[in-house]
Amino acid sequence: GAVVSQHPSWVICKSGTSVKIECRSLDFQATTMFWYRQFPKQSLMLMATSNEGSKATYEQGVEKDKFLINHASLTLSTLTVTSAHPEDSSFYICSARVGTGVTQPQHFGDGTRLSIL
Amino acid sequence: EDKVVQSPLSLVVHEGDTVTLNCSYEVTNFRSLLWYKQEKKAPTFLFMLTSSGIEKKSGRLSSILDKKELFSILNITATQTGDSAVYLCAVAGGYQKVTFGIGTKLQVIP
Repeated sequence: GAVVSQHPSWVICKSGTSVKIECRSLDFQATTMFWYRQFPKQSLMLMATSNEGSKATYEQGVEKDKFLINHASLTLSTLTVTSAHPEDSSFYICSARVGTGVTQPQHFGDGTRLSIL
Repeated sequence: EDKVVQSPLSLVVHEGDTVTLNCSYEVTNFRSLLWYKQEKKAPTFLFMLTSSGIEKKSGRLSSILDKKELFSILNITATQTGDSAVYLCAVAGGYQKVTFGIGTKLQVIP
């Protein structure tokens, strides 16, 4: 149980294009999903908390217009990296929490490796 | 600012050894502490701890939390090469925020 699917696994694209990453909870409903970014040999850095039916809450220093988050249903959240540049290259991981309580563990997708040329 | 510190950063052991990974934290409105295992892709959930002194166990892995001293340990007994991974400690605090440590990289050699 508690399977989170993330798509695509790897994206390579040219600078200036926009990239959409999908995060789906396959066997449960997720009111809240989280988007993280991980640079090599560093820990997961929370970018934003995505709440179904409302605006995402972004962490300090994360540009809302650059990283568009949409959580239109209880099983799907998307992260769009707009006008991506090489410095946006990173490993992006989503997670979803079963239920609404903060004490519930997050379950992670397999991540998306984004490479901008 | 919430903080999670893990030690050691990296560890190399032989198969069969027992290892102890450490996690200390400072967080506002502590809710829970979580351990994850990260291999090549995203982290997989191991344990969630909310109460002091109660050991959680899963096979060769076990973990315990000390809320007074603000730390947790993750023990792995009779290590196998498949245990090689980065082990992440995370703490859930107020406002749904989860803060991750940098991880301990464990390498188990035959």
